[in-house]
Amino acid sequence: SQQGEEDPQALSIQEGENATMNCSYKTSINNLQWYRQNSGRGLVHLILIRSNEREKHSGRLRVTLDTSKKSSSLLITASRAADTASYFCATDEDRNFGNEKLTFGTGTRLTIIP
Amino acid sequence: KAGVTQTPRYLIKTRGQQVTLSCSPISGHRSVSWYQQTPGQGLQFLFEYFSETQRNKGNFPGRFSGRQFSNSRSEMNVSTLELGDSALYLCASSPQGVEANDSGNTIYFGEGSWLTVV
Repeated sequence: SQQGEEDPQALSIQEGENATMNCSYKTSINNLQWYRQNSGRGLVHLILIRSNEREKHSGRLRVTLDTSKKSSSLLITASRAADTASYFCATDEDRNFGNEKLTFGTGTRLTIIP
Repeated sequence: KAGVTQTPRYLIKTRGQQVTLSCSPISGHRSVSWYQQTPGQGLQFLFEYFSETQRNKGNFPGRFSGRQFSNSRSEMNVSTLELGDSALYLCASSPQGVEANDSGNTIYFGEGSWLTVV
């Protein structure tokens, strides 16, 4: 079963605008990771944020994590046409070291309009 | 370093047949996990292997199985294929931290194997 929901399910914005996607999850986590998937392709890792972190940046990406609300957000600034893809959050629920099992959200389909 | 490599990329099978998918993890990575992606169910965890041992298993029937070799390469097998098994099968690897309290392992995915069952 999936961990939770991503919001919105689909988002269309003009190139150059910022895109914000939200992810909610249900259980306590070790960390949360965001991935991008272009149509028909594999998942590309974007960023990992640990449960004891509140915000993390990587280039044009900014991720926040609120463990009290069990939610995370991904902000993509100055969007480009190449950012068009589906974005997924994934949580690592297992607190036992080494058991790698990700639970994915439902994904947000982002379309950047040139 | 080469990424996670999956073969074959595309395949078509008939109901009742079996299929074997292969995954080569990133060099040095010892954990390999498998996921199924379908439009209806999304991304779902199948199983995870570490040092040739299955450590975790998702909620899939026994027709889905896997194994890991001593070089960390992994295979998954689906027997008695059903139409509903049509999906993108993704393999992922992670390096595994050496400290017992390391919780920040990034998990890297391959391009996937597209399976169509007809």
